[in-house]
Amino acid sequence: GNSVTQMEGPVTLSEEAFLTINCTYTATGYPSLFWYVQYPGEGLQLLLKATKADDKGSNKGFEATYRKETTSFHLEKGSVQVSDSAVYFCALSHLLGGYSTLTFGKGTMLLVSP
Amino acid sequence: DSGVTQTPKHLITATGQRVTLRCSPRSGDLSVYWYQQSLDQGLQFLIQYYNGEERAKGNILERFSAQQFPDLHSELNLSSLELGDSALYFCASSVGQGTNYGYTFGSGTRLTVV
Repeated sequence: GNSVTQMEGPVTLSEEAFLTINCTYTATGYPSLFWYVQYPGEGLQLLLKATKADDKGSNKGFEATYRKETTSFHLEKGSVQVSDSAVYFCALSHLLGGYSTLTFGKGTMLLVSP
Repeated sequence: DSGVTQTPKHLITATGQRVTLRCSPRSGDLSVYWYQQSLDQGLQFLIQYYNGEERAKGNILERFSAQQFPDLHSELNLSSLELGDSALYFCASSVGQGTNYGYTFGSGTRLTVV
């Protein structure tokens, strides 16, 4: 089946540290991959996406590369800020009954301290 | 404000009761998706509608049902509620049926069953 596995959190970093959140997936076919972010008390927001192998998605200093050979889509940021504290969800698209839907990982909480 | 409106924000009800959650999609979006978020299960896809028609079903219990109306708003009905139904219920919308359009999420309805 289709599934997404993320590293368990919380990930605790100091401001300006380098961030990596690991994400691996299992899928049939060639899914698109996504990272969503959820700030406290809010819904999920699309952070970035990649639609085919070797694509790099990037937004707001975050980036992730679609690696088909390792079935991974790790999220990275060179220098995190306190305002990046949130829960990050990796997701993949797949067909369900002929229509594409998103399957999410369980989320990784990031806590950035000043 | 994401443009996706969910009401109510909070709901407390007793076991055995029935509730209705409402979602108004972002203007111009034709697809509506319902997700359940709980601590142990993460984000679980429930059901998808496109322009009034059901498109895909995920892990939706038989006690739950949904519909999308001609004005494109959607309602999720939960009946014979159990303690385990306590969760955050999110609605998301997108302009088309494919996941590459990206989903816009509402801020959710927190359901507590006591």
